Parts: sequence; structure tokens; C-alpha cells
Amino acid sequence: RKEVEQDPGPFNVPEGATVAFNCTYSNSASQSFFWYRQDCRKEPKLLMSVYSSGNEDGRFTAQLNRASQYISLLIRDSKLSDSATYLCVVNWNDMRFGAGTRLTVKP
Amino acid sequence: ETGVTQSPTHLIKTRGQQVTLRCSSQSGHNTVSWYQQALGQGPQFIFQYYREEENGRGNFPPRFSGLQFPNYSSELNVNALELDDSALYLCASSPGTGTEAFFGQGTRLTVV
Repeated sequence: RKEVEQDPGPFNVPEGATVAFNCTYSNSASQSFFWYRQDCRKEPKLLMSVYSSGNEDGRFTAQLNRASQYISLLIRDSKLSDSATYLCVVNWNDMRFGAGTRLTVKP
Repeated sequence: ETGVTQSPTHLIKTRGQQVTLRCSSQSGHNTVSWYQQALGQGPQFIFQYYREEENGRGNFPPRFSGLQFPNYSSELNVNALELDDSALYLCASSPGTGTEAFFGQGTRLTVV
């Protein structure tokens, strides 16, 4: 089993749609969790941290379920500028990345 | 701008050669991690340095080695380059282990 697994995608959605990404992790000792965004041929950039209580940042909502070792990211009212690859990241001593899920938002 | 800088940005090497990639971490960050990202894949963890000591290593052979200096900048060295080493190499700095990381723009290495 991979350390961090994500929906393979790609997701192609119209502007204004709501889209959800899922991620599971194998190490129950994982301590911190993040979503990163990566544009084509660029470095990953931190989108948001994920807390046990769930957290929201504008149109983005992240959830963590430690019992199921599951993380999610919800994007509401998708914009063209949201088109990117979204990387699920899990940290126990070092950060381990999922393979990423590609999102394309179309007009 | 993350304040993390990597050099060079692009590099072409011949199979069997050696390469050194460099990373300057963000001010105040004592942890540097290196990743290899092949096309279409997520970043793969190579190793992490914390206060000049190796603090974890991924599934990479010993020909991948590194250093961290007293100013917390870092080097990644790869010996005996193979064609499969062609990838984007990313450096990330953190204020400590277990915290969010900030990436440099990467070094794109091509081995021919």
C-alpha cells in the first residue's frame, strides 16, 4: 500500500462547480496534514493545513478523519484559476506526498 | 516568494557524471528536505536535514547524498548519474520538523 494515495483524476469541471478530492494515508502515527497546489512546471505551494476539527479558507474546506486515515479537500464555486494539480501531504517526521490530482476548470 | 532559492535552475549531464544541486533556505528555517519529482508524479522524499544532521531518508540509493551547512543552506549530490535520474529536484525549508514546508523553484536535471 502506498504511503499516501489520492484520487487519480483528472477532474474536468465547469466554472462554479463544487469538486471534492480524497486522500488516504497508511501511517497512523502521522502528525500533520496539508494540501499543496502545483501549477504546471512550477514548485508546490502550500494551500492549507488540515486540522482535526476541519478548517475552511474562503472557498476551500479541508477535513481530516484520523480514525479512517482519510483527508479531503472541497472546492466550492470553482474558478478558472483553480486549475492545477492538488497534492495531499502527510507528515510524521518528514513530508510524504500523494501523486496528485489534476483539476481543470472550464468556462 | 518563499525565500527558498535553488541553483542552478536547469542542468544537463551525461550518464555516469556527478552533480551538485544547491539550496538556500528561508531565513529562520533550520530544516531542509529534498525531493525528486518525475513528470506526472508527486514529489518523492529523498532526505531531510535538521540542524546539519540527516534526519530521515527515503528509498533512494547511497549515491544520493547531502549536506547542510551552519547557515542551514544545503546541497544534494548525486553520483554515477543514470538516465532515470532525470527529474525536477525540489528543495523545501521548514521552521522545524513536522511543520509546513516552503519550496524553491526547483532544478530541472536532464541526464543524457
